[in-house]
Amino acid sequence: DAGITQSPRHKVTETGTPVTLRCHQTENHRYMYWYRQDPGHGLRLIHYSYGVKDTDKGEVSDGYSVSRSKTEDFLLTLESATSSQTSVYFCAISVTSGSLHEQFFGPGTRLTVL
Amino acid sequence: QQQVKQSPQSLIVQKGGISIINCAYENTAFDYFPWYQQFPGKGPALLIAIRPDVSEKKEGRFTISFNKSAKQFSLHIMDSQPGDSATYFCAAGGYNNNDMRFGAGTRLTVKP
Repeated sequence: DAGITQSPRHKVTETGTPVTLRCHQTENHRYMYWYRQDPGHGLRLIHYSYGVKDTDKGEVSDGYSVSRSKTEDFLLTLESATSSQTSVYFCAISVTSGSLHEQFFGPGTRLTVL
Repeated sequence: QQQVKQSPQSLIVQKGGISIINCAYENTAFDYFPWYQQFPGKGPALLIAIRPDVSEKKEGRFTISFNKSAKQFSLHIMDSQPGDSATYFCAAGGYNNNDMRFGAGTRLTVKP
């Protein structure tokens, strides 16, 4: 998984509670991403980061915030979880290979919001 | 609004056959087209990718065919094996891939 770990791997929480998911990488890659995966939608980008304290919104950012205080860690926070945020969340990093910027994914976090 | 449309949703192929998955994109600014393979409980793994300056790229049994004028690209898996049974995702993105869009996925089953 390209040196990417995600924690927790599984979480069940209740509507209205805050949740933070962590992505950790060991190879000092500049770009990091958070995606969610839902049946029939493939993967959709939530937020991404292009450096420490540099982040931007993706396609489905509403209800999510992120932070990156260290190169190796990228946190995704659901301030007040809703049932529509039940999903599998994947972190990814981007690696430059020649002219390509290839994305590699972590193992995922399965989040259930009751 | 799905910017990358993938078909079929599911595909069953006999061992040794050819698996073909198709994708169409809308945004002409896309210039990077990867395919990912995902097994249950795992993250997607990069399989093969192409830039629009070539019409075909082959790596082992996997080939991407790219048609820029039609805004379509496809994955061909030759001599399909049961171990290829997985979900496959196409994607399309710009230079930095900060706005990569994924297809909905194709569940491939290769029967022995």
